[in-house]
Amino acid sequence: LAKTTQPISMDSYEGQEVNITCSHNNIATNDYITWYQQFPSQGPRFIIQGYKTKVTNEVASLFIPADRKSSTLSLPRVSLSDTAVYYCLVGDLPGSARQLTFGSGTQLTVLP
Amino acid sequence: GAVVSQHPSRVICKSGTSVKIECRSLDFQATTMFWYRQFPKQSLMLMATSNEGSKATYEQGVEKDKFLINHASLTLSTLTVTSAHPEDSSFYICSASPSQWGNYGYTFGSGTRLTVV
Repeated sequence: LAKTTQPISMDSYEGQEVNITCSHNNIATNDYITWYQQFPSQGPRFIIQGYKTKVTNEVASLFIPADRKSSTLSLPRVSLSDTAVYYCLVGDLPGSARQLTFGSGTQLTVLP
Repeated sequence: GAVVSQHPSRVICKSGTSVKIECRSLDFQATTMFWYRQFPKQSLMLMATSNEGSKATYEQGVEKDKFLINHASLTLSTLTVTSAHPEDSSFYICSASPSQWGNYGYTFGSGTRLTVV
């Protein structure tokens, strides 16, 4: 079961690009990397998922180096509403409960 | 998109009583659902895996007789906290995946804030 390590917290200002890096040194060959966002008193929300190189969707980009031992979630031009906890998870595709082990997450605070 | 509905969103109960929390997949079938507990300022802790038509699988340290899980259909799983005590007060969240093989991640319910007084 691959363990993930993220910074506990990060501060940014509105309009800036934010990069949150997650370390997962023991990632297995079959593991995917998934990022979730959680606001207070709400369930986590899926942001992006990838296996290697780069994945981009309408809200974020995910950069994964060749060795896959880390990944970086990139949020372009953050706003105050992006203040939340961001979790990086590593595991099999949906269908395996082992994917769902949450680390401590990163509290992102966006300042005006 | 895939939606997981969780009810109630908040519940206050007296110590010693039981509380049932429902988790429904609204537009997809889920043979497997997951239940989490989250204490303030902490991460989500997986409590159990709910399997349709069979017994739930509980994580180490989670009392199966206290947290009863029933997954009677492909769209509904329930978590019953029996003989609740103040230390059971927490934020309970369920999740499911709309696709067993697709890379869509898991969809989470909005959570249930349980307060035991």
